[in-house]
Amino acid sequence: EAQVTQNPRYLITVTGKKLTVTCSQNMNHEYMSWYRQDPGLGLRQIYYSMNVEVTDKGDVPEGYKVSRKEKRNFPLILESPSPNQTSLYFCASSLAGAAYNEQFFGPGTRLTVL
Amino acid sequence: QQQVKQSPQSLIVQKGGISIINCAYENTAFDYFPWYQQFPGKGPALLIAIRPDVSEKKEGRFTISFNKSAKQFSLHIMDSQPGDSATYFCAAGYQRANNLFFGTGTRLTVIP
Repeated sequence: EAQVTQNPRYLITVTGKKLTVTCSQNMNHEYMSWYRQDPGLGLRQIYYSMNVEVTDKGDVPEGYKVSRKEKRNFPLILESPSPNQTSLYFCASSLAGAAYNEQFFGPGTRLTVL
Repeated sequence: QQQVKQSPQSLIVQKGGISIINCAYENTAFDYFPWYQQFPGKGPALLIAIRPDVSEKKEGRFTISFNKSAKQFSLHIMDSQPGDSATYFCAAGYQRANNLFFGTGTRLTVIP
């Protein structure tokens, strides 16, 4: 089954404790992206990657890091989480450069930073 | 600043009624306007999309109306059903680029 998977689905942590949210897709997509969803603010892009070893900032990159060492994986790293990073996070992937790209979203990771 | 503005934030419709969600954009270079549907506990999924060379696209009960001169587009859900209750996001982007700019979302509740 073609899908985007994220782990963990739920995470409660404390301020300053480094964490990684994993994202993996099995559709051989070049493009991958991370979003955060907050009430009233919609989906805001954190980082995206057009291919292996190519990453770029989205609209809200502060406090986050990413890496793209393999095509299928795009982990989101919070090196020193703070309470304002409490949010619902989504990873998405799509083909690069094709017309009318459909983005396929993972099931989401709900993060709480105490 | 928000590239795509969406309204209303929430919407309650009776079963069988018409749900209408509106979006506006500023960047006239956008040429791809998708709508995503998100059920509770799930990620968003593509519902329907339109290019600016057409004024309307219909898929079943879902219709996008596009007004290029006003830089507005809207989603109409005809004969709304309780199963349509979800959050809807409009978005704008470029056909051969991947980044999408999402609206703030509309939570639709269809009352039986």
